[in-house]
Amino acid sequence: DAGITQSPRHKVTETGTPVTLRCHQTENHRYMYWYRQDPGHGLRLIHYSYGVKDTDKGEVSDGYSVSRSKTEDFLLTLESATSSQTSVYFCAIGGTSFNEQFFGPGTRLTVL
Amino acid sequence: DQQVKQNSPSLSVQEGRISILNCDYTNSMFDYFLWYKKYPAEGPTFLISISSIKDKNEDGRFTVFLNKSAKHLSLHIVPSQPGDSAVYFCAASAQNYGGSQGNLIFGKGTKLSVKP
Repeated sequence: DAGITQSPRHKVTETGTPVTLRCHQTENHRYMYWYRQDPGHGLRLIHYSYGVKDTDKGEVSDGYSVSRSKTEDFLLTLESATSSQTSVYFCAIGGTSFNEQFFGPGTRLTVL
Repeated sequence: DQQVKQNSPSLSVQEGRISILNCDYTNSMFDYFLWYKKYPAEGPTFLISISSIKDKNEDGRFTVFLNKSAKHLSLHIVPSQPGDSAVYFCAASAQNYGGSQGNLIFGKGTKLSVKP
């Protein structure tokens, strides 16, 4: 298995509070991604990074920000969580030059 | 507008028989296609892929077929086993176009149930 961990694995928070999810990789891969998975929507890309301090928006980036200060860590922040951000969040690495993306175990976030 | 479509939300198959999961796409720039398998409470795991220069790729019990003219691909699992019961996601990217075009676009998934 690719060395990808996500923390926390589960979180319950209240509307309006800030939340940060962490993705950590030991593969030294340049590309990292954040997805959310919702029933009826499959996996949708939130943000991605193609290097330290290099990030870009994905399909559903509104309400989310990211940071990547080290190759191994990619942080996803919900500045003010809303109930519509209740979801399962997956981090992934890889994906260039016909390389497959490898996913972390996921974080289940519930916003009350 | 969905660029990658999996029109069957679920599929039930008897153990030992063939499972066929289908995927359609609309973007003619897509040149690389992948299938992922996902068990509950786990992250998706890569299963098999195919480049647009091929029409078939085989890996053990899993075969992916690509029909570019129809913009259609399918995953065949033969023989199906109860452990194959999972959600299967089809994904596509436009690798040769670079930049964000290389990002994966996923379908909504098909839940496969293999009954003993």
